[in-house]
Amino acid sequence: EAGVTQSPRYAVLQEGQAVSFWCDPISGHDTLYWYQQPRDQGPQLLVYFRDEAVIDNSQLPSDRFSAVRPKGTNSTLKIQSAKQGDTATYLCASSDWGVAEQFFGPGTRLTVL
Amino acid sequence: GDQVEQSPSALSLHEGTDSALRCNFTTTMRSVQWFRQNSRGSLISLFYLASGTKENGRLKSAFDSKERRYSTLHIRDAQLEDSGTYFCAAEAGQGTGSKLSFGKGAKLTVSP
Repeated sequence: EAGVTQSPRYAVLQEGQAVSFWCDPISGHDTLYWYQQPRDQGPQLLVYFRDEAVIDNSQLPSDRFSAVRPKGTNSTLKIQSAKQGDTATYLCASSDWGVAEQFFGPGTRLTVL
Repeated sequence: GDQVEQSPSALSLHEGTDSALRCNFTTTMRSVQWFRQNSRGSLISLFYLASGTKENGRLKSAFDSKERRYSTLHIRDAQLEDSGTYFCAAEAGQGTGSKLSFGKGAKLTVSP
């Protein structure tokens, strides 16, 4: 059984550029999470979905970040006009709704110059 | 404030020794999950506990079933491949869906 997959694995941008991250959760998992992990810190939840619905996006910087999961399967996280402070690893995870055990993808390491 | 406090933040061991990591929670938690993050950044799930203890090889984890305010991860006979950063993450009570709050991590270095 395939785990959570993410792409790209790495991204390097200049400030002001846009970037999108893609996540494919474990088949059958209805809950999908996006985390931001700055260097030498723990992951911090940005947004999570149940099927196609956003459950909580209170930690998502809404002026530049957006996340969608239109068919309740794959998801895309987009950063418009990236800033140096966005430099971090972006992790996607999935689970069954109501079960806290989460399974993580390999992450996308973003560097904004 | 932070709900999950991990200690120690860094630890150095020699091969063959034993040690333990701990997470304290500022509120009652429903469950805890322990991860190891390798040098490539991948978060590998080690244990998920809603109560009691679990053991897998040289690793053993416990979750305080009474107060639900702390969890431990014991490493026995440490090996070089145990090196990495260990995170605990906990789920608070009802009303949060399945949100996990992470600790800041414990960097473990095992040397020969």
